[in-house]
Amino acid sequence: GIQVEQSPPDLILQEGANSTLRCNFSDSVNNLQWFHQNPWGQLINLFYIPSGTKQNGRLSATTVATERYSLLYISSSQTTDSGVYFCAVATKWGETSGSRLTFGEGTQLTVNP
Amino acid sequence: DSGVTQTPKHLITATGQRVTLRCSPRSGDLSVYWYQQSLDQGLQFLIQYYNGEERAKGNILERFSAQQFPDLHSELNLSSLELGDSALYFCASSVSTPGWGSRQETQYFGPGTRLLVL
Repeated sequence: GIQVEQSPPDLILQEGANSTLRCNFSDSVNNLQWFHQNPWGQLINLFYIPSGTKQNGRLSATTVATERYSLLYISSSQTTDSGVYFCAVATKWGETSGSRLTFGEGTQLTVNP
Repeated sequence: DSGVTQTPKHLITATGQRVTLRCSPRSGDLSVYWYQQSLDQGLQFLIQYYNGEERAKGNILERFSAQQFPDLHSELNLSSLELGDSALYFCASSVSTPGWGSRQETQYFGPGTRLLVL
C-alpha cells in the first residue's frame, strides 16, 4: 500500500515563529488532506489539497503531486496551534481499497508563549 | 463542527464485553468510514461503507463488525474486548462516488469515541 512519511516528528517553536511541515508519499494520490489534532483528540480538517496551493489565514499548503510531496506552512504561530498535524492520502478509488485514507505518523508541534 | 456526530464520547468497559459505537454522517454523504487511533498503531483505516454496502476493509479484526443502515447512520460493533482495543475510534463521511479512478472528496471526521477497556 501507499506509504506516507511526515517530517519533522517533533517541532518546538516560540510564539510568533513560522514553520514548515512536510509530507512525502510513495504513489500518485487522488486525495490529500491535512489535519490538526488538538489536545482533546479532535481531528480538524485544515486542507483538502491533492494538488496546487491553498491558503486559509495563517495556514497555507502546497502539494506537488508530480514529485509526491506536500508542505504545510504555519506563519506567526500561536499557542493554540499546538497539537499533532497529520497528512493523509488516498489513491484512486479501487475495487478493494475504496477511498481509504492512509495517515502519516504526524508532526507533534509545541508552541511556547 | 464537521457535521459528523458520534456517540458515545467516552466508553469504559471490561475485557470480554461487547460495545456498539454509533455514527451519523453529514447530511448528503453516502460514504462512511471507521478509523482507529491507538498509541502503538497510529491512525488506521478499519472499514468503509457506501450507501449501505461494504466497500473496503482495512485492518479490522474479526471480533469487530460494522454496518450502515438505510438512514445512512453506521454502527461499529466491538466484541470480546481486549485491553489492546483501548483507542480513539473515529467515524468519517464523504460524498465519494464509487467507480474506478473516480474523484475523491474531502473526508470529514467526527469527534471520536474514546474507548477504555479495563
